[in-house]
Amino acid sequence: QKEVEQNSGPLSVPEGAIASLNCTYSDRGSQSFFWYRQYSGKSPELIMFIYSNGDKEDGRFTAQLNKASQYVSLLIRDSQPSDSATYLCAVGGSAGNKLTFGGGTRVLVKP
Amino acid sequence: ETGVTQTPRHLVMGMTNKKSLKCEQHLGHNAMYWYKQSAKKPLELMFVYSLEERVENNSVPSRFSPECPNSSHLFLHLHTLQPEDSALYLCASKPGQGNNSPLHFGNGTRLTVT
Repeated sequence: QKEVEQNSGPLSVPEGAIASLNCTYSDRGSQSFFWYRQYSGKSPELIMFIYSNGDKEDGRFTAQLNKASQYVSLLIRDSQPSDSATYLCAVGGSAGNKLTFGGGTRVLVKP
Repeated sequence: ETGVTQTPRHLVMGMTNKKSLKCEQHLGHNAMYWYKQSAKKPLELMFVYSLEERVENNSVPSRFSPECPNSSHLFLHLHTLQPEDSALYLCASKPGQGNNSPLHFGNGTRLTVT
């Protein structure tokens, strides 16, 4: 079983719609959860982080964490073509020193 | 400007060459990381340094040799690489090894082994 799992996509959404990305993880003791965006040929850039159960909103992005079910999700509202990228879920282990990444979900926003 | 600078941005080397990748962070962080990103694969952790001490070596072949002379600089020395080592090599840093803060990535070095 992979430690952090994401659907590879591509997830195709029309411009203006909501993109919903999911991530599941296996380490029940995980403490921290991150979403990174990576454009083709570029390095990952941090979008959001969440540590507690529930929702966290930042602009058009909302991260949702459910530790009991071991999943974290990212919602992108009012999707724009510039949101087309690969979104990486990263999970910090119980010791905090290591981030494990999922394989990423490719998102395509069509005008 | 990410605060983490990697050089060179692109590198092509033969299997018998020796080269080094350099990473410098200007964020005052104490922990530095090397990750490898191959096509169609998740980011793979290679090495972790905390306060210049290596705290993790994720079963990386000895043809990759890290060096951390101080908390701002990290090197990855390469020798006798294989074509399957071609990948994007990413350096990252964070304030401390044991805390839950996010990683800050450099722009990466695209390595091609011929």
